[in-house]
Amino acid sequence: GAVVSQHPSWVICKSGTSVKIECRSLDFQATTMFWYRQFPKQSLMLMATSNEGSKATYEQGVEKDKFLINHASLTLSTLTVTSAHPEDSSFYICSARGGGANYYEQYFGPGTRLTVT
Amino acid sequence: AQKVTQAQTEISVVEKEDVTLDCVYETRDTTYYLFWYKQPPSGELVFLIRRNSFDEQNEISGRYSWNFQKSTSSFNFTITASQVVDSAVYFCALTEDTGNQFYFGTGTSLTVIP
Repeated sequence: GAVVSQHPSWVICKSGTSVKIECRSLDFQATTMFWYRQFPKQSLMLMATSNEGSKATYEQGVEKDKFLINHASLTLSTLTVTSAHPEDSSFYICSARGGGANYYEQYFGPGTRLTVT
Repeated sequence: AQKVTQAQTEISVVEKEDVTLDCVYETRDTTYYLFWYKQPPSGELVFLIRRNSFDEQNEISGRYSWNFQKSTSSFNFTITASQVVDSAVYFCALTEDTGNQFYFGTGTSLTVIP
């Protein structure tokens, strides 16, 4: 149980285009999902917290107009990188928060590797 | 202040050696949870263990063992008889009682040399 998927697993796009990454909880409902970014040889950095049906909460320094997050259902959150630039190239990981007594758990997706050329 | 510190950036060991990865955490909450994850080159985080603050028992799972000591705010991870497949980056993480955020350490890159 508690499986989280991400799509696509990798994507290459041209500078200036937008890319959408999907995060799905496959066998449970997730009211809260998290988006992380990881640069090579670095740790995971939380970008934003996404709550179903409401606006995402962004961490300091993360541009909300550039990284659009939509959490329209209890099983799907999307991250759209708008007008992507080479510096946005990174590994993006989502996680879904467990429910009920497992509120402290986060179940991580396999990640999406974005390369902007 | 860093809530989770992994002082060892990179470690190399020869196969079959034992290796301990250190993790020191900081929190004011009395209820918190500690985690270890393995991140192989593929990038996917692999869950290894979760420990809550009320359970200080050490745990052993095959070649893996964990030593949780609240007195020193440490949650160290030992791999016994290391194997090449253990080569990966290992992250220690903390979440506090609200469960709102995971605090990740900077990771320790382990290389096991055959």
